[in-house]
Amino acid sequence: GDSVTQMEGPVTLSEEAFLTINCTYTATGYPSLFWYVQYPGEGLQLLLKATKADDKGSNKGFEATYRKETTSFHLEKGSVQVSDSAVYFCALSSAGGTSYGKLTFGQGTILTVHP
Amino acid sequence: EAGVAQSPRYKIIEKRQSVAFWCNPISGHATLYWYQQILGQGPKLLIQFQNNGVVDDSQLPKDRFSAERLKGVDSTLKIQPAKLEDSAVYLCASRLSSGHEQFFGPGTRLTVL
Repeated sequence: GDSVTQMEGPVTLSEEAFLTINCTYTATGYPSLFWYVQYPGEGLQLLLKATKADDKGSNKGFEATYRKETTSFHLEKGSVQVSDSAVYFCALSSAGGTSYGKLTFGQGTILTVHP
Repeated sequence: EAGVAQSPRYKIIEKRQSVAFWCNPISGHATLYWYQQILGQGPKLLIQFQNNGVVDDSQLPKDRFSAERLKGVDSTLKIQPAKLEDSAVYLCASRLSSGHEQFFGPGTRLTVL
């Protein structure tokens, strides 16, 4: 079945540091890929997405590129802020069949940014 | 545009009691999902509806969990009887039939004592 693996956390950075959170996936067909963010006390919010190979999703300074050859979708940001402290989830959406649109999530990575 | 609404936000019950959660999706979203998020883990799909029909309930523990979506709009998820391991956040999400993005509600945090 489909699966998503995220890098082990938590991740602790100083403000303005470079961020990378690794994500790899296993899936049949051509899934869509997502990064969701969960701020303390809030629900899941879509951060960015990519629906086909070599697509780059971007939002709020975050970027991720859909790499089919390495089955990866790593999240990056050049300069993190304290307000980026949250839990980040990588997810994929099934490519077809009766479970179209079903999201399979990674385990989440806790990011803490210090001033 | 109003988002996905869920209630209650928090619930504490004793084991073997029953509990129900309610979800109102975004207007016009035909597809509705219930996820279970155990602390420290990613959300796991419990059930998927398309309008008022079940598309996927393969991960739903049917001996104690049930869900319905009468009239293809609001949905309820019930647990009866609850176990300690059911302590989690229950998330509802909705999606347009033609879209990729799921929109999530704030979740209901369930604590089973």
